[in-house]
Amino acid sequence: DAMVIQNPRYQVTQFGKPVTLSCSQTLNHNVMYWYQQKSSQAPKLLFHYYDKDFNNEADTPDNFQSRRPNTSFCFLDIRSPGLGDAAMYLCATSHGLRDEQFFGPGTRLTVL
Amino acid sequence: GQNIDQPTEMTATEGAIVQINCTYQTSGFNGLFWYQQHAGEAPTFLSYNVLDGLEEKGRFSSFLSRSKGYSYLLLKELQMKDSASYLCAVRVPGDGANNLFFGTGTRLTVIP
Repeated sequence: DAMVIQNPRYQVTQFGKPVTLSCSQTLNHNVMYWYQQKSSQAPKLLFHYYDKDFNNEADTPDNFQSRRPNTSFCFLDIRSPGLGDAAMYLCATSHGLRDEQFFGPGTRLTVL
Repeated sequence: GQNIDQPTEMTATEGAIVQINCTYQTSGFNGLFWYQQHAGEAPTFLSYNVLDGLEEKGRFSSFLSRSKGYSYLLLKELQMKDSASYLCAVRVPGDGANNLFFGTGTRLTVIP
C-alpha cells in the first residue's frame, strides 16, 4: 500500500548529540512536511519542501535542518538537541500545496 | 498570528451524537480540515471544507461558515473507538505556499 513511513518510531538521544529522523513516501507526492508536536499541543509546522524548494517557517529554530535528496525521502536533522526538543515529529506529504496532507506514524524523540 | 480555538475536552455517551466546535481568526483562508488523532499515533484525515455548508461522510459531518470563522465536526452513533483527539486545521495561503495551522485539539472521551 502507498504510504508515508517514518523511521525510527522511537528515538532516544543525549543532550547536544546530533540526531537524524527519516521519512519516506511511496505516494510520489511533490510536497513533504515536517511538524513538531509536543505533548497535548497542536502540531506545528517546521518546514516543507515543494520538490527541491525548501521553505522554512519563520520561527523554526536554526537547530533544525532538513534535506530532501530525492522525491521519496526527506530527513530532519537536529544539530544539538535540547530537552525542549523532546516531542513527536510528524512527516506529512501532499500532491500539491492545496491538497490533503497524509501523515506518517511519527517519531517520538526523547532527549536525555 | 493565526488563532484556532477548540474546546480542550469533551465527554459523550456511546451511541449518542457529539458536536465539536472550532473557531478561527487567520490572515487568510484556503480550507479547513478535521483530523482524528489517537494517543501516540499520527493524525488521520476526516474531512475538508472550503465552501460554506455541510459535508457528510458516514457517521461524520463537518460544517463551515466562512463569514463567522466557524466550523463544527458532528459525530453520530458514537462508538468507544471514537475516543481520540480531534484537530481542526486551517489552511492559510501566503508566499506561494499553503500552510496548515492546527488547533490544540479536542480530546473526546466516549463512555459506555
